[in-house]
Amino acid sequence: NAGVTQTPKFQVLKTGQSMTLQCAQDMNHNSMYWYRQDPGMGLRLIYYSASEGTTDKGEVPNGYNVSRLNKREFSLRLESAAPSQTSVYFCASRDYGGVSSEQFFGPGTRLTVL
Amino acid sequence: QQQVKQSPQSLIVQKGGISIINCAYENTAFDYFPWYQQFPGKGPALLIAIRPDVSEKKEGRFTISFNKSAKQFSLHIMDSQPGDSATYFCAAAPQGNQFYFGTGTSLTVIP
Repeated sequence: NAGVTQTPKFQVLKTGQSMTLQCAQDMNHNSMYWYRQDPGMGLRLIYYSASEGTTDKGEVPNGYNVSRLNKREFSLRLESAAPSQTSVYFCASRDYGGVSSEQFFGPGTRLTVL
Repeated sequence: QQQVKQSPQSLIVQKGGISIINCAYENTAFDYFPWYQQFPGKGPALLIAIRPDVSEKKEGRFTISFNKSAKQFSLHIMDSQPGDSATYFCAAAPQGNQFYFGTGTSLTVIP
């Protein structure tokens, strides 16, 4: 099992460019999450998907869109990147309602917006 | 507004010492309190977690102490080792899908 995988690992964008961050999990989890991690700010939830077909805003959704493509995949799109979106982005998944409440995290995507 | 407040921001401990990280919350709807460990360049990984029906949980050298009335919980790392050097995050979650994370503590264990 690969767990949670994210692509790309690194990305540099210019202001105004768009891109999609990809996330996939092979644990048959129903819930998936996108976080951003900034120094001194901890992990902040951008969007989450409680189950296939649903998405909800988290703490910091502005400037982002998401798509829950199927049970395995949850993508994050930046339509017009801004320097304030320079961050490390983590995807996570969880078997919500299952025995364990644990969230499993991917390795992260390091994004720089110039 | 930060839902979970974590301190200290950084901590330096001698090998063999005790590392203590504290977190506080306000929302009484939170019912799951995990601690995550993150090494540089990696994603966070669950270290230990507790629910509010117990006041303490121990797994090896790691212990969570939970004070429901004070709305505080803490992570104690006994016999701290250089390999424990990492960033630690506390978190809290209600019976729902949103997790709220603290701002993190960078722990350095000096040999």
